[in-house]
Amino acid sequence: GEDVEQSLFLSVREGDSSVINCTYTDSSSTYLYWYKQEPGAGLQLLTYIFSNMDMKQDQRLTVLLNKKDKHLSLRIADTQTGDSAIYFCAESKYSGNTPLVFGKGTRLSVIA
Amino acid sequence: SQTIHQWPATLVQPVGSPLSLECTVEGTSNPNLYWYRQAAGRGLQLLFYSVGIGQISSEVPQNLSASRPQDRQFILSSKKLLLSDSGFYLCAWSTGEELFFGEGSRLTVL
Repeated sequence: GEDVEQSLFLSVREGDSSVINCTYTDSSSTYLYWYKQEPGAGLQLLTYIFSNMDMKQDQRLTVLLNKKDKHLSLRIADTQTGDSAIYFCAESKYSGNTPLVFGKGTRLSVIA
Repeated sequence: SQTIHQWPATLVQPVGSPLSLECTVEGTSNPNLYWYRQAAGRGLQLLFYSVGIGQISSEVPQNLSASRPQDRQFILSSKKLLLSDSGFYLCAWSTGEELFFGEGSRLTVL
């Protein structure tokens, strides 16, 4: 079966790094995604990684994938108050054309 | 560039009333279209997805239905709403690895 697990809450101080973790169960997952949701808004695609990669960096965001342990993480460097949001991890077997399976989301609170 | 619109943004409906949420995509052709629901504390639940006009796959049995009358139009409907239908409904589209979401429609059933 497919299952994506995330911790529900994370609190960090402004300027620190945030690390949001995610585990998934489907070893055939091909793409793994991170989305950001601000209050009352839709989901914004932040980044995604193909399963044959173990790291992807995009400005302040670093995605690490441990395929053996089925563990995905999102690191946000120099966290800002504008980073406060819910972050969703998602996985897909083939591509975005296949419905994504989402975790329940991690609510990141940034303390000034 | 591609855009996705869904409406209405907010809806308050009595139990037993009908529902129609509409989603349209611009700037692309033959997208895969999706309806997700986000209920408090339950993450995102896939309700329906469509790979083409008139082709609808349902993920969860319920009193909701979906239709795709045109290539870039996806409609979520109900004949009689239940209290449990309250939530934040998100339409999304994809033509490849990336899935893009609309701004959502918040439905409150009283």
